[in-house]
Amino acid sequence: DSGVTQTPKHLITATGQRVTLRCSPRSGDLSVYWYQQSLDQGLQFLIQYYNGEERAKGNILERFSAQQFPDLHSELNLSSLELGDSALYFCASSVGGPKNIQYFGAGTRLSVL
Amino acid sequence: AQTVTQSQPEMSVQEAETVTLSCTYDTSESDYYLFWYKQPPSRQMILVIRQEAYKQQNATENRFSVNFQKAAKSFSLKISDSQLGDAAMYFCAYRPNTSGTYKYIFGTGTRLKVLA
Repeated sequence: DSGVTQTPKHLITATGQRVTLRCSPRSGDLSVYWYQQSLDQGLQFLIQYYNGEERAKGNILERFSAQQFPDLHSELNLSSLELGDSALYFCASSVGGPKNIQYFGAGTRLSVL
Repeated sequence: AQTVTQSQPEMSVQEAETVTLSCTYDTSESDYYLFWYKQPPSRQMILVIRQEAYKQQNATENRFSVNFQKAAKSFSLKISDSQLGDAAMYFCAYRPNTSGTYKYIFGTGTRLKVLA
């Protein structure tokens, strides 16, 4: 168990809908990262938050947004969903800083039908 | 741009034998980390081993070891005495130590099959 909790584990929805994925980082971790893994592909970095502030953005679509709350949990919001958004979404957390590694949650599998 | 390349989509190894998975990367940075992650069918990302770029000594974790060639930008994973439980997708990842963000850049993965 990495200590990073993601909910829900699985989400099934329809095209055009909006969903929210939630991530609770390990106790003490200030950084949260979101990654997307499409079928049998590597993980693609979406966005990073550090202590409530956006720190870096990757190839995140404008239909996607995220935030990190004062209690350090994070939410990834996906709207106007398309079939191609079906993927595994991982959250990872770290204490922050160059020497700390990221610990990954178990992921949320999103299926858009 | 920083990239990670895994040129072997799939590899097979006989149980108890040794297998090496390849990874190359491209960066202009001198300070970074490299990782190997295992992703079994459960989809959990499990850290196998990591290497700091400024350390010349190759990292080792039990049956797993790496061959880190900084000048060649190569980072291969050797699995010794392969076990059935080693069957999984293996991802190579690069992480710069650039101040501000420490995002990982992943390769496309190598699927390892272990034959009984």
